[in-house]
Amino acid sequence: EDKVVQSPLSLVVHEGDTVTLNCSYEVTNFRSLLWYKQEKKAPTFLFMLTSSGIEKKSGRLSSILDKKELFSILNITATQTGDSAVYLCAVGLETSGSRLTFGEGTQLTVNP
Amino acid sequence: EAQVTQNPRYLITVTGKKLTVTCSQNMNHEYMSWYRQDPGLGLRQIYYSMNVEVTDKGDVPEGYKVSRKEKRNFPLILESPSPNQTSLYFCASSFRTYNEQFFGPGTRLTVL
Repeated sequence: EDKVVQSPLSLVVHEGDTVTLNCSYEVTNFRSLLWYKQEKKAPTFLFMLTSSGIEKKSGRLSSILDKKELFSILNITATQTGDSAVYLCAVGLETSGSRLTFGEGTQLTVNP
Repeated sequence: EAQVTQNPRYLITVTGKKLTVTCSQNMNHEYMSWYRQDPGLGLRQIYYSMNVEVTDKGDVPEGYKVSRKEKRNFPLILESPSPNQTSLYFCASSFRTYNEQFFGPGTRLTVL
């Protein structure tokens, strides 16, 4: 059974801290790994990673994939209260169709 | 404005009363998908569609039907809703399978 596990499930930090969110996966036919941010509404896309070892970066957020060890991390530096959200990791599968399997998410709370 | 729309946004219904949640996108995307989101279970894929008249089951298809007669629309049909289908539902679309998925605003369904 395909599985995506995120840790921690919940994290509380102060503004300015740096956080690292983890996503590990056990799937057959891995194709891609995606990160989403979900505030109190629909998820919004952050990154898609397909190649191991290549960092994707957008402002204070960055992510990297390790296909050998089957995990990805999402880093957020100099956190702000606006970073408070649920961060979702999803794995896209190389199947005859197209499926995304999501992890449970990490609830990040950034306090002023 | 490029977007995915869903209707209704909120729905309270009773067991067994057939309902349809509509989803429409204006980005000419080939790929569309339905998810449900439940506390502790994360986002789970219900059905997806690679193109017109091409649909396939996701992880939790039981009790749901879909159709893709036109590229822009992908309605979710619950023929006989039950209380365990009470959930937050998201429609999503993307240009190709593993590209960034755009999510609709969500439909909160309660089945009494």
